[in-house]
Order: sequence, then C-alpha cells, then structure tokens
Amino acid sequence: DQQVKQNSPSLSVQEGRISILNCDYTNSMFDYFLWYKKYPAEGPTFLISISSIKDKNEDGRFTVFLNKSAKHLSLHIVPSQPGDSAVYFCAASSDGNQFYFGTGTSLTVIP
Amino acid sequence: SQTIHQWPATLVQPVGSPLSLECTVEGTSNPNLYWYRQAAGRGLQLLFYSVGIGQISSEVPQNLSASRPQDRQFILSSKKLLLSDSGFYLCAWTREGTEAFFGQGTRLTVV
Repeated sequence: DQQVKQNSPSLSVQEGRISILNCDYTNSMFDYFLWYKKYPAEGPTFLISISSIKDKNEDGRFTVFLNKSAKHLSLHIVPSQPGDSAVYFCAASSDGNQFYFGTGTSLTVIP
Repeated sequence: SQTIHQWPATLVQPVGSPLSLECTVEGTSNPNLYWYRQAAGRGLQLLFYSVGIGQISSEVPQNLSASRPQDRQFILSSKKLLLSDSGFYLCAWTREGTEAFFGQGTRLTVV
C-alpha cells in the first residue's frame, strides 16, 4: 500500500519557468515531509523539508508547500535550470525513524 | 563529517545464488540505518530499518534479510536470489527527526 504518491511520473519544463512537483499522502500521522533529488545510478540527496507546523518552507529557488487538510505537498523550483533535471522523490515520516517515499517524478528542464 | 559507504556498486548474480550487500557509516554513532530498493514504477521501497545493533524491522516480506552486527554496519542478505530481486538497492542513515543520507547504491541484476 503506497502511503506516499506522486501521480506524475514525468514533467517537462522550459528553462527559466517554474517547475511544480506534486505529492499526496494518505497517513494523517505523517508530520515531517522531505524532498530528494536523484540522478541516475546515484543515491538520492536531500533537497528541502517541512514539518507539519508550517505550510511553507523556502530555500533559494526551492519552495515546499504543505496543505495538511488535503494531505498534499508540492515542490516549486523557480527559475528552473537544466541542472535541475533529475528524479524527485517526496518522503514522509511520522516518527522520524521510518521514511516512506513516493514513486518519483522525472523532471526534464529544456534549455 | 559523516559518510556512508555501500558496496559493491554493481553486481550480477545467477538465480539461486546468495547475496550480501554491505553498508557502513562513518562519523556518527548510533544512527538509524535503512535498506531501500528502487524498482521501476515503485519509487523507493523501504525494505528494512534498524534503530540499533541487532534490532531489525522488516517492512516487506520477501526472501531478503538484514543484519546489524555493529553499530555502523548494515548488511542485506539473501540465501537464494530470485529474478524479481533485481533492482537498485540503497542504504541510508538518519539521526532521528532529520533527513536521510543515502549511499551511492548497488545495481543488482539477477540472471
């Protein structure tokens, strides 16, 4: 049972535009959410996180939004750059020990 | 600084052969350790996690097992590999309540 879902397997965006990656979760006990970026044949690297006490967290070009009532979070990348092309995973945790990942969205930023 | 080592990077094994993947963490003590598998369309699937020596929690029943013989060592094993065990295996560590840090991964092909 997939507790964290990313319904868009792929996304293409023009360089300089905004990339919006979406993530939905089913477990209302999740209170900590993270985004990871992954290049082929490498392990994921941490990008940005948000706890359930906030609805927005910003770090440079990356902003994560959390809508707890809708059990939805999104990652905005503005402006998108070709180097942002990668697979993005969202993850969620309720206890800080177990992390559940989504299926990933492959982002392609077109120069 | 903390680092995580995972080996081998690639592995080709015949069906029915045993498996042993090793992961070690440096620069931290008492980490939470994880084994994930990335398979097409499944995202990052949590296989095992450990909060201490000898403490293993299994998320998915299968023919894989994990062991933690030392504080910073986590081993993924199988007595007899199946074709369906092919995938990209990732080791990760966290401190409770923080993001996970991943190894470079092992590409396992069962033939």
